[in-house]
Amino acid sequence: DAGVIQSPRHEVTEMGQEVTLRCKPISGHNSLFWYRQTMMRGLELLIYFNNNVPIDDSGMPEDRFSAKMPNASFSTLKIQPSEPRDSAVYFCASGTIIGTFDTGELFFGEGSRLTVL
Amino acid sequence: TQLLEQSPQFLSIQEGENLTVYCNSSSVFSSLQWYRQEPGEGPVLLVTVVTGGEVKKLKRLTFQFGDARKDSSLHITAAQPGDTGLYLCAVTSNTGKLIFGQGTTLQVKP
Repeated sequence: DAGVIQSPRHEVTEMGQEVTLRCKPISGHNSLFWYRQTMMRGLELLIYFNNNVPIDDSGMPEDRFSAKMPNASFSTLKIQPSEPRDSAVYFCASGTIIGTFDTGELFFGEGSRLTVL
Repeated sequence: TQLLEQSPQFLSIQEGENLTVYCNSSSVFSSLQWYRQEPGEGPVLLVTVVTGGEVKKLKRLTFQFGDARKDSSLHITAAQPGDTGLYLCAVTSNTGKLIFGQGTTLQVKP
């Protein structure tokens, strides 16, 4: 299996531009998570999907952030407009949720490093 | 307030030394996971502990889940430079989210 695939690996953009990050989860997994990692705040959960349905988006910072999962093999995280404080590494992870209180093992992509100037 | 508190935040030791890192909470969890993240990569699962008091060993790494299932420790024996990385503990919240601690950054010098 190719693992979780994220693109782009690196993106540098200017403040105000739209940014779209993409993720292909591992085939057969029923959950997909988007995290953001910074030195200051660590690994923060932004949103997660179960069977393509958004379950909890309480970690999405503000309305500038949106995420979609149109099918089981693809998800996007969009930032519009982007701001310098959005600079971070964004990770996508997929897994199989075992139960309400057991997420199971998550498999992470290599991340998308975003720099907003 | 962090759900999970990890300590220490940073640790720099010489090859061959032993170390222990901690993951603490005031909440009870049905299970707890430990991940390791290397620079430029995503976290990778090391182990899941489920039962209070459980001890699991992975080569030179020993994981323990507290009796009350509120805390966990990771002990590394005879650390090697290849152990360098960010060690993260994680739990499933009551809303089904996998929440991570801030992590312990370990540097093992040759």
